[in-house]
Amino acid sequence: DGGITQSPKYLFRKEGQNVTLSCEQNLNHDAMYWYRQDPGQGLRLIYYSQIVNDFQKGDIAEGYSVSREKKESFPLTVTSAQKNPTAFYLCASSIRQGLKSSYNEQFFGPGTRLTVL
Amino acid sequence: GENVEQHPSTLSVQEGDSAVIKCTYSDSASNYFPWYKQELGKRPQLIIDIRSNVGEKKDQRIAVTLNKTAKHFSLHITETQPEDSAVYFCAASRTGGYNKLIFGAGTRLAVHP
Repeated sequence: DGGITQSPKYLFRKEGQNVTLSCEQNLNHDAMYWYRQDPGQGLRLIYYSQIVNDFQKGDIAEGYSVSREKKESFPLTVTSAQKNPTAFYLCASSIRQGLKSSYNEQFFGPGTRLTVL
Repeated sequence: GENVEQHPSTLSVQEGDSAVIKCTYSDSASNYFPWYKQELGKRPQLIIDIRSNVGEKKDQRIAVTLNKTAKHFSLHITETQPEDSAVYFCAASRTGGYNKLIFGAGTRLAVHP
C-alpha cells in the first residue's frame, strides 16, 4: 500500500474554479496514471505518463490537464471546462514495461474525492 | 474500441458458498488480466492476475481462469467469508510498450454470515 500518496483526501470546488490534485510516489516507477471513478462504473483513464516530461491523453481527458516535471509527481488539474467533475480520483503507478518482467501491476493511491459545490 | 464487460454487477452469497465473476474482452491482443479488489472508500488492490500463456492460476481461495479463444476470463472465490465483501474489477491489457489497463465496470460482492 505504501509508496504512492494522494492529497487532499477530500476536495470541494466551486463552479468555475480550477483545482489541482496531488499524486506522489517513491516506488521509482516510470509510469503514472490518473483514473476517474463514478458510482457503478469502472475506472476510466484520464491521462497517463510513461516518462518525465511526456504524457498522453486517456479516454476522458477533456477538461483535465497534467504535468510530469518530476518522476515522483504527476499532478492533475481539474479545470472549469470539466462540466461534471464530482467523482473519486485515483492515481496509480507502475514499472515501465520492458524493464523487468512483463508484469504490469499498477499500484493505486488512496484517492481524492472531489465534490463540486 | 477496446472494451471489457463484467458480469454480474452485483452478487450476493452466503458465507461458505462460492462466487464467480466473469469478464469478456474485445482486444484479441490482450495478454495480461489482473483482478482488483476495492473495499468501500479504499484504493483498488491487486488480488490475482494471469497472463495469456497460462489457463488457470490459484492462490489459496481465489482462482482465475482464462479462455483466450473465447476471450473470457473469470474469478472464482471459494469458501467465501464476510471480509470478501467488496467491489471486484477485472481488467485487460497488452504487454509491451504502454501498459494501458481497460477495466470492467465492477462487481459488488456481498457475503452474508
